[in-house]
Amino acid sequence: SQTIHQWPATLVQPVGSPLSLECTVEGTSNPNLYWYRQAAGRGLQLLFYSVGIGQISSEVPQNLSASRPQDRQFILSSKKLLLSDSGFYLCAWNRAQETQYFGPGTRLLVL
Amino acid sequence: EDQVTQSPEALRLQEGESSSLNCSYTVSGLRGLFWYRQDPGKGPEFLFTLYSAGEEKEKERLKATLTKKESFLHITAPKPEDSATYLCAVQLPSGYSTLTFGKGTMLLVSP
Repeated sequence: SQTIHQWPATLVQPVGSPLSLECTVEGTSNPNLYWYRQAAGRGLQLLFYSVGIGQISSEVPQNLSASRPQDRQFILSSKKLLLSDSGFYLCAWNRAQETQYFGPGTRLLVL
Repeated sequence: EDQVTQSPEALRLQEGESSSLNCSYTVSGLRGLFWYRQDPGKGPEFLFTLYSAGEEKEKERLKATLTKKESFLHITAPKPEDSATYLCAVQLPSGYSTLTFGKGTMLLVSP
């Protein structure tokens, strides 16, 4: 069966510091991978998605970036965090047009 | 612009009191409509996928239905453990399998 991992689970970072969140999927190959952000009172906002190694599509312009160095690894990064980057970050995967399955999430608080 | 609207934003029920959650969408074409359940501090958990008007899916006390403009999640005789936020998302037929989410309905079932 497939499982999806995210770490860290919780992160508190000062404004202006860098960020790196990691997501890995087990039990499948060549998945589509997604990064979402969920802010209080708002729905899930798609940030990035990837259909293969090195292929990244950005949905929302911001100071975040994503990379996919390996088939089942997806990384969300920032060089300098803003207060508005606080939120709950979710990684998801699927195959082709099938159902997306979500990871446990990372709670990020920027102070 | 494609939109997904969920109502009500919050719903409080007594145990055993049946009700329905609504998800209305204005999209140019629909490939699929997805329902997820999200517990506080956790990633969304997949419930149902509906593909065409008239389709229905059931799981325990939940039943999802789909028309050309909206979907309903019917909860029959809910229990306190059904308390969660329920998310609706639509998938368009073109492009990659990205989802557009509503803001969710927060359900609280009191014993």
